[in-house]
Amino acid sequence: KAGVTQTPRYLIKTRGQQVTLSCSPISGHRSVSWYQQTPGQGLQFLFEYFSETQRNKGNFPGRFSGRQFSNSRSEMNVSTLELGDSALYLCASSFGDRDQETQYFGPGTRLLVL
Amino acid sequence: EDKVVQSPLSLVVHEGDTVTLNCSYEVTNFRSLLWYKQEKKAPTFLFMLTSSGIEKKSGRLSSILDKKELSSILNITATQTGDSAIYLCAVERRGGADGLTFGKGTHLIIQP
Repeated sequence: KAGVTQTPRYLIKTRGQQVTLSCSPISGHRSVSWYQQTPGQGLQFLFEYFSETQRNKGNFPGRFSGRQFSNSRSEMNVSTLELGDSALYLCASSFGDRDQETQYFGPGTRLLVL
Repeated sequence: EDKVVQSPLSLVVHEGDTVTLNCSYEVTNFRSLLWYKQEKKAPTFLFMLTSSGIEKKSGRLSSILDKKELSSILNITATQTGDSAIYLCAVERRGGADGLTFGKGTHLIIQP
């Protein structure tokens, strides 16, 4: 069974640009959560989608948005990039809503904002 | 605001040693505490502890939840170089509106 995949793996953008990251969950998983990981703040929850609906949202500005498609694939978008958005963005999928014990993380997308 | 504090932030030991990693938390409406191991990129799930399951063990790893002290420990016995990683602790609220709240992690290095 294929794991969680994220594309692209690495990305370099400049301030003011926007970026879209993609996450394909494990087959059969309906929940996708997104996290931002930085050396200073650690891992922080961005949002969770379940069956195409945003169920939970972390404390991030409106520049961070996401969506989930009918096949459970999810995208997150960051508009008007700032230097502080440089981070590893991780997504995780699970079968059920808030099903932490079966939540699997993807390898992440490393975003560098110059 | 929920808070998770892990200690130590980093630890270097020799192969064969036993290590204890700490996690303390402040969270409203606690539901569960989770431990993850992060080697390169993707954190991998280790344990989930709840009010009804306060002790878990898997091979050389074990974890205990102390509900009174609002803390948890992760023990690794007979450490191996493959145990080198960042160990993350996270808590989940009932209702889960904020997803998981993670600590900053403990960077564990096992020297041969």
